[in-house]
Amino acid sequence: DIVMTQSPDSLPVSLGERATINCKSSQSLLYRSDNKNYLAWYQQKPGQPPKLLIYWASTRESGVPDRFSGSGSGTDFTLIISSLQAEDVAVYYCQQYYSSPPTFGQGTRVEIK
Amino acid sequence: QVQLEESGGGVVQPGRSLRLSCAASGFTFTTYVMYWVRQAPGQGLEWVAVISDDGSKQFYRDSVRGRFTISRDNSENTLYLQMNSLRGEDTAVYYCVRGVGGYCSTTSCYHWFDPWGQGTLVTVSS
Repeated sequence: DIVMTQSPDSLPVSLGERATINCKSSQSLLYRSDNKNYLAWYQQKPGQPPKLLIYWASTRESGVPDRFSGSGSGTDFTLIISSLQAEDVAVYYCQQYYSSPPTFGQGTRVEIK
Repeated sequence: QVQLEESGGGVVQPGRSLRLSCAASGFTFTTYVMYWVRQAPGQGLEWVAVISDDGSKQFYRDSVRGRFTISRDNSENTLYLQMNSLRGEDTAVYYCVRGVGGYCSTTSCYHWFDPWGQGTLVTVSS
């Protein structure tokens, strides 16, 4: 199984400041035939199910605010919240769909400093 | 809008069975691969099972294979998870999830997940 490791586990950020979450996979998620990275990001607010933010490592889902952006390739990926808002307090997960079984990172909790 | 609504969770003793259902609406159910994903209390996310759009292929995580069965009724737009021989480690919120953007091969499926249902809590305890 591909192991997904996120860092940090917890991230206190002041309102309006940038939040950076890292996700590292145990093997490359770049599929050479289509040059796409098979990685998604989700946001889970307390008491709610996860919500899709980004797929193909950097494609923002429709309706997701543009302060959320994804980047990276191969084994190293990043989710950035450019200007943290109060409603962004949540746990964020990365997920690989390159190979079976699909696996998730352990989550990064973003909180207000 | 696209909606997934789970039901059937509850408290069950170890070794007993439970059947979860997921009612889908707002999209063409018959054209999507469907998954069950679970989350133990205070823990992360774990894929459980997947079924192809026509129901001809099913795949399971190792720890539930032989005990759980995923199925679907495309005439009723409903997804199921039959859980037998339940164990304490099966305690979790079970989410019904639509697979998007990928495909199924003869051996597995590859999708990201959108949307997720609200989840139904299964507690295995004596």
